[in-house]
Amino acid sequence: EVQLLESGGGLVQPGGSLRLSCAVSGFTFSDHYIDWVRQAPGKGLEWVGLSRNKANSYTIEYAASVKGRFIISRDDSNNSLYLQMNSLKTEDTAVYYCTRHKNYAFDFWGQGTMVTVSS
Amino acid sequence: DIQLTQSPSFLSASVGDRVTITCRASQGISSYLAWYQQTPGKAPKLLIYAASTLQSGVPSRFSGSGSGTEFTLTISSLQPEDFATYFCQRVNSPPLTFGGGTKVEIK
Repeated sequence: EVQLLESGGGLVQPGGSLRLSCAVSGFTFSDHYIDWVRQAPGKGLEWVGLSRNKANSYTIEYAASVKGRFIISRDDSNNSLYLQMNSLKTEDTAVYYCTRHKNYAFDFWGQGTMVTVSS
Repeated sequence: DIQLTQSPSFLSASVGDRVTITCRASQGISSYLAWYQQTPGKAPKLLIYAASTLQSGVPSRFSGSGSGTEFTLTISSLQPEDFATYFCQRVNSPPLTFGGGTKVEIK
């Protein structure tokens, strides 16, 4: 069974940092792209970034809104993807989802982890 | 960047109604479009990919069509469990933008 499980969310002050984790199981992690998507309270979905698979050299892409502040990394030995979030702003407050990216769509999603940026 | 505009942003419908949601891209994206359904407090669920391919396990009352800049999601006969918010997404190249969403509520 394909599963993705996010963790690491919480309350952080503006300017602070937080690291989210996404643990996956049920599929070969290194074969797949994995993306981060966020959703601010009461708002729509925003793509945050992606990590391509081993065949594509694990290259990474970011949304303009987070580029230079967020860093995506992955550890294939632990079947985990990470999102290091630095210089956090109040507008980064959202539920953060990790999702498997296959056949040009996001076919499996985690349950999400809430990040609140507030003083 | 390519923008996706969904319409309507809100619609009120009854069980059994045929519902159509439109997603327009600011530039052509071929068939690189996916549709998702989201209910409150839950993660989105993939319904359609490649503009018209039904994801495994999704009821056949859902269908997608279009290519280039105009796409539609159709629910042929709305069921109680279909009252939700629907999002389109371009999936050809980053940024993998989502549409603003269409909330389908009970009339």
